[in-house]
Amino acid sequence: VQLQQWGAGLLKPSETLSLSCRVYGDSFSGYYWSWIRQPPGKGLEWIGDINDSGNTDYNPSLKSRVTISIDTSKNHFSLKMSSVTAADTAIYYCARRTWFGGYRRYYYYMDVWDKGTTVTVSS
Amino acid sequence: EIVLTQSPGTLSLSPGERATLSCRASQNVSSSYLAWYQHKPGQAPRLLIYGASSRATGIPDRFSGSGSGTDFTLTISRLESEDFAVYYCQQFGRTFGQGTKVEIK
Repeated sequence: VQLQQWGAGLLKPSETLSLSCRVYGDSFSGYYWSWIRQPPGKGLEWIGDINDSGNTDYNPSLKSRVTISIDTSKNHFSLKMSSVTAADTAIYYCARRTWFGGYRRYYYYMDVWDKGTTVTVSS
Repeated sequence: EIVLTQSPGTLSLSPGERATLSCRASQNVSSSYLAWYQHKPGQAPRLLIYGASSRATGIPDRFSGSGSGTDFTLTISRLESEDFAVYYCQQFGRTFGQGTKVEIK
């Protein structure tokens, strides 16, 4: 399984960030598809995820500005973040969130990642 | 919202030494939800441990994880040159700790 991301790398403040991530070598079914970012000099921050049914969950700190969508026919999922500022400058990653288990014990982790893309917000 | 706090922020060690990294949760976390990642500059994060103690495919056995409840530990038994990196814990396949940098002393 491989993930490949694309989208605009340079934005002006107040614009909308738009990134997409295509899945190669596997179907969408049974997984969650995630967005994560890393601002310069900082750690990893979970942005949100979506499953193959289109159910989404977002980081509460970003929820008002973020929309994640999925196109199963084209095997890709997308991130939109509105009203960006310099604080949104980061490396953005897409990843597969795998889950499995049963009898009240379920496992969750991100096992497939893309190489990341740098998004810079500057006037 | 569960907050994960990692310590120490930086660990300065020599190759061959043992590294012990801590991850503390603000409330109980199911051990099956706890994962550890290694992250090097310019690379994608790499899954090391899931379910608090299960090694991911291809991960050397010098990496081990333990813990339950609110306290979890990643141990690297003998550091090799390629192990110097930042390590993150994560719960529920979503929120991360702030990371521990393992640097060469």
